[in-house]
Amino acid sequence: GQSLEQPSEVTAVEGAIVQINCTYQTSGFYGLSWYQQHDGGAPTFLSYNGLDGLEETGRFSSFLSRSDSYGYLLLQELQMKDSASYFCAVTNQGGKLIFGQGTELSVKP
Amino acid sequence: SAVISQKPSRDICQRGTSLTIQCQVDSQVTMMFWYRQQPGQSLTLIATANQGSEATYESGFVIDKFPISRPNLTFSTLTVSNLSPEDSSIYLCSVGPGTSDGYTFGSGTRLTVV
Repeated sequence: GQSLEQPSEVTAVEGAIVQINCTYQTSGFYGLSWYQQHDGGAPTFLSYNGLDGLEETGRFSSFLSRSDSYGYLLLQELQMKDSASYFCAVTNQGGKLIFGQGTELSVKP
Repeated sequence: SAVISQKPSRDICQRGTSLTIQCQVDSQVTMMFWYRQQPGQSLTLIATANQGSEATYESGFVIDKFPISRPNLTFSTLTVSNLSPEDSSIYLCSVGPGTSDGYTFGSGTRLTVV
């Protein structure tokens, strides 16, 4: 089977840094990605890690350790508009994207 | 990245009827995916739609309930048949991966069954 675990909710203040962790169990692992979804909106792609290490895209960074089946999304200089749900997702055989349960991030002033 | 037009954006349907959702992509893509997202929940993969072959369904989803068509490399439909209130959900199509390894999603169809 496949499973991904991430915290259900995280709260932080504007300007802070927050890390959202994701652990996974899956067969045929190709990579780990992160998606952001605002209420009523479609998921939007943030970052992908196919290899171990850190990927940086502006204020967002993502990390993967394949040996630990673990990754995280790091959000820096938090802004109110970052309040949203964040999903980790595994790409497996056949190019399928399997999602975690999502982390609701609340950014407070 | 690809741009997807998904229709309808929302609908209210009577139980026992069916709803067909369409996704049009602005470029040719090999695989299209259909997801369901129940309120406050994550996205669950329903099936993978490949052009020229039958869709591949995930565990818990069957063709009779969720027939899919994929007549060409830019278009797909998902039908949700014999509707019941439990089918009330958001349905999304997706394509990918793109050059950045990301997947693109349609804007979703919010279905309410009454």
